Amino acid sequence: AQKVTQAQTEISVVEKEDVTLDCVYETRDTTYYLFWYKQPPSGELVFLIRRNSFDEQNEISGRYSWNFQKSTSSFNFTITASQVVDSAVYFCALSEWNKLIFGTGTLLAVQP
Amino acid sequence: EPEVTQTPSHQVTQMGQEVILRCVPISNHLYFYWYRQILGQKVEFLVSFYNNEISEKSEIFDDQFSVERPDGSNFTLKIRSTKLEDSAMYFCASSEEGQNYGYTFGSGTRLTVV
Repeated sequence: AQKVTQAQTEISVVEKEDVTLDCVYETRDTTYYLFWYKQPPSGELVFLIRRNSFDEQNEISGRYSWNFQKSTSSFNFTITASQVVDSAVYFCALSEWNKLIFGTGTLLAVQP
Repeated sequence: EPEVTQTPSHQVTQMGQEVILRCVPISNHLYFYWYRQILGQKVEFLVSFYNNEISEKSEIFDDQFSVERPDGSNFTLKIRSTKLEDSAMYFCASSEEGQNYGYTFGSGTRLTVV
């Protein structure tokens, strides 16, 4: 069965620190997509990235970067030089044909 | 940028009452979804809808739930007789062509059953 594990329930860092959020997934599919979403205190789900299983290149977008490793079934997310506005719950998700399977989320608190 | 619109943003209802949550998906999208997030927990899939019928539903989506696309723009989730445990954030999402194109989520409706 498809499964997404985010072992870190809560992380607290001080502003400007780098932080990595871990995501491990399980799937039998050969083609799949992985996602990261941010959920700020206001509650909406903000799309961050979608990655195809055939594309293992790491991606960087500003202070955000993602490390996809098929060999370890991981899709980790790093925020460089964290800011208070990064405080949110971050969800990793795996596509299963036509729906998303979400992990339990990691609450990131960035202290000033 | 196109958005998925959900109304209302917050609804309070009495236990046993029927409630309808409304969504306007992105106009050229073909796939529609409802997800649920109980406070402090993960986001869970409820149902997917394509070509005017349910394509998949989860165990959560029992006979108390139904979905409808009453016209060309709205997509609704009805809960027939609400229970306290239905209190959650309900997210609508739409997609042009499923996972290949990603999903756009609405900002959610917070349902409180009292």
